[in-house]
Amino acid sequence: DAKTTQPPSMDCAEGRAANLPCNHSTISGNEYVYWYRQIHSQGPQYIIHGLKNNETNEMASLIITEDRKSSTLILPHATLRDTAVYYCIRPWAGNMLTFGGGTRLMVKP
Amino acid sequence: KAGVTQTPRYLIKTRGQQVTLSCSPISGHRSVSWYQQTPGQGLQFLFEYFSETQRNKGNFPGRFSGRQFSNSRSEMNVSTLELGDSALYLCASRRGELSTGELFFGEGSRLTVL
Repeated sequence: DAKTTQPPSMDCAEGRAANLPCNHSTISGNEYVYWYRQIHSQGPQYIIHGLKNNETNEMASLIITEDRKSSTLILPHATLRDTAVYYCIRPWAGNMLTFGGGTRLMVKP
Repeated sequence: KAGVTQTPRYLIKTRGQQVTLSCSPISGHRSVSWYQQTPGQGLQFLFEYFSETQRNKGNFPGRFSGRQFSNSRSEMNVSTLELGDSALYLCASRRGELSTGELFFGEGSRLTVL
């Protein structure tokens, strides 16, 4: 089963950190976790991915628990343009990605 | 560097017709995958091609087909259109076959079936 579980929606105040959780309790030892986001009417955009160590890039940080059963995407200073649906994804059939419902993040002024 | 290009962006068809959508991946990318997005079902994987070979296929009927050309450009075809085929069809490319890197998505082709 390649499913992940995310809350359907979250709100965040502009300028504050947005912490988006994801549960992937059945993940295996060599499976990566990917995060994408989709802004309305656009194609999904890659954010970050990780295996077991925490990762950071110019867009976000990814914190993965030691048991790898869950992770958190952190947008350190959310802006209105970060309003989007955020998808936490595990590979399927070894390499492909299956998108679940995602979390609809609303950043409010 | 040009991104993933999908054509047409918008199209309207009637039930029973067929449609062909085109995708040009980022230069140098050899893997192309297709997704269908609807309000009810979300983003669903259709199929993936690498070096002109279909590598993976999602759970869609045989009316949905695709192919990839030697220049990595890809097309998908939907025959005998149904109302439920109305959706945003997204194409994504990546560099290699087993890359753990990112997928680059196009802006999609929005199909309306009347």
